[in-house]
Amino acid sequence: DAKTTQPNSMESNEEEPVHLPCNHSTISGTDYIHWYRQLPSQGPEYVIHGLTSNVNNRMASLAIAEDRKSSTLILHRATLRDAAVYYCILRVMNYGGSQGNLIFGKGTKLSVKP
Amino acid sequence: EAQVTQNPRYLITVTGKKLTVTCSQNMNHEYMSWYRQDPGLGLRQIYYSMNVEVTDKGDVPEGYKVSRKEKRNFPLILESPSPNQTSLYFCASTPIGLAGATSYNEQFFGPGTRLTVL
Repeated sequence: DAKTTQPNSMESNEEEPVHLPCNHSTISGTDYIHWYRQLPSQGPEYVIHGLTSNVNNRMASLAIAEDRKSSTLILHRATLRDAAVYYCILRVMNYGGSQGNLIFGKGTKLSVKP
Repeated sequence: EAQVTQNPRYLITVTGKKLTVTCSQNMNHEYMSWYRQDPGLGLRQIYYSMNVEVTDKGDVPEGYKVSRKEKRNFPLILESPSPNQTSLYFCASTPIGLAGATSYNEQFFGPGTRLTVL
C-alpha cells in the first residue's frame, strides 16, 4: 500500500472544528482513503472512507483533494470523546487475502481541551 | 448489537504454557484477522482468514496458529508462548464484497487482549 504522512499530534478545543491532514502523494487511481481512530485502551474504530469525492457520515467528513494527493478528516465539533489517535490508511483495490491487511502508520494523536 | 468479542481481555502467563485467545463476531463476516500492537511498531497483521477452513499468514505469523472451523469464530493459538509475544492483540472482521474485495469495506475490531508472557 502507498505511504501516508500525518502530523504526530494536534490539539483542539472542545466544540470547535478539527481538520486532520493526511498526505499521500504516491496514491494510485484505485486506492481508497480510509480513516480509523483508536481511543485510549480500545480497538481501532472505522471513521470514514472515500475514493474521489468528498464524503460525510454521522461521525465526520472527508475532504479529498482534486489530485487525490492529500485528504483532510474533519470533525465538525470536537468533543472530549474524540481524543484519540487518528490513522489515515490507503487501501489497494485488489482481490487477494492480503488486501484485508490494514497498514497502520503512527497516526495523529488528537488532544481535546475542555 | 454488531460486535467482535475477544476473551480473555487480560492474560498473564509463563513461557511455554499453551494458550488460546478466542475471537467471535456476530455479523456473518467472511474475513477475519488478528493483529498485534506494539509501541513504536503500530498494528501488524498476524494471520487472516477469508472464510471457513481458509487461513493464511500475515506479516508476523511466527509463533502463532489459527483455525477457522466456524464462520463466527477465529481463535489465536500460542502453542509455546515466549516473552517477545507480550503484546496487545486485536481481532478484526469485515465482509467480503463484490468479486472478493474488501478494500472498500469497514473493518470491525474487538476490544483487545493484553497478553503478558513472563
